[in-house]
Amino acid sequence: EPEVTQTPSHQVTQMGQEVILRCVPISNHLYFYWYRQILGQKVEFLVSFYNNEISEKSEIFDDQFSVERPDGSNFTLKIRSTKLEDSAMYFCASSVREHTGELFFGEGSRLTVL
Amino acid sequence: KNEVEQSPQNLTAQEGEFITINCSYSVGISALHWLQQHPGGGIVSLFMLSSGKKKHGRLIATINIQEKHSSLHITASHPRDSAVYICAAPNFGNEKLTFGTGTRLTIIP
Repeated sequence: EPEVTQTPSHQVTQMGQEVILRCVPISNHLYFYWYRQILGQKVEFLVSFYNNEISEKSEIFDDQFSVERPDGSNFTLKIRSTKLEDSAMYFCASSVREHTGELFFGEGSRLTVL
Repeated sequence: KNEVEQSPQNLTAQEGEFITINCSYSVGISALHWLQQHPGGGIVSLFMLSSGKKKHGRLIATINIQEKHSSLHITASHPRDSAVYICAAPNFGNEKLTFGTGTRLTIIP
């Protein structure tokens, strides 16, 4: 069964460092998303991406964050200068359709900022 | 912004019991998602529904659009159903999902 894959599964970084989280969505999906979950808190929407551009973003997704689809298969989330509060589980998801499309999630990338 | 409330926050039940988890939201939606988060953290989509009822195995999801309310039912619950169940609703007309805080379900053998 097709699945969304994420790498790395866990990354530890020093505050101020750049981090890139990678996702390979399901191949025929057109809509891509990043969510995050701080430990013990609820899942939060970060950004949605369609047709090579951001379609929605939350107030969390500030200038420190960026997304791109560099090669037509990978979908990356970059955090330019990590802060302690960026420590969280980051989930990538993809869907065939917007609004009414079932979401397929990756297993998540746990980011720990020291 | 859609406000999504779930109840109960925690639920412990004996194996075999019928389980109901509730979700209410504040803004009209195109579709509501029910998700399962495993103890290891991974998230799996269970249902995405915009009206009526859907069934998959022992899981049933219902939604009442007029009342802005959805329920997830588990029949003949089993310890492997132990997980956090999350509902998520979009703001109408966009893709930004608002997630509930989740219901932690524990099924005791």
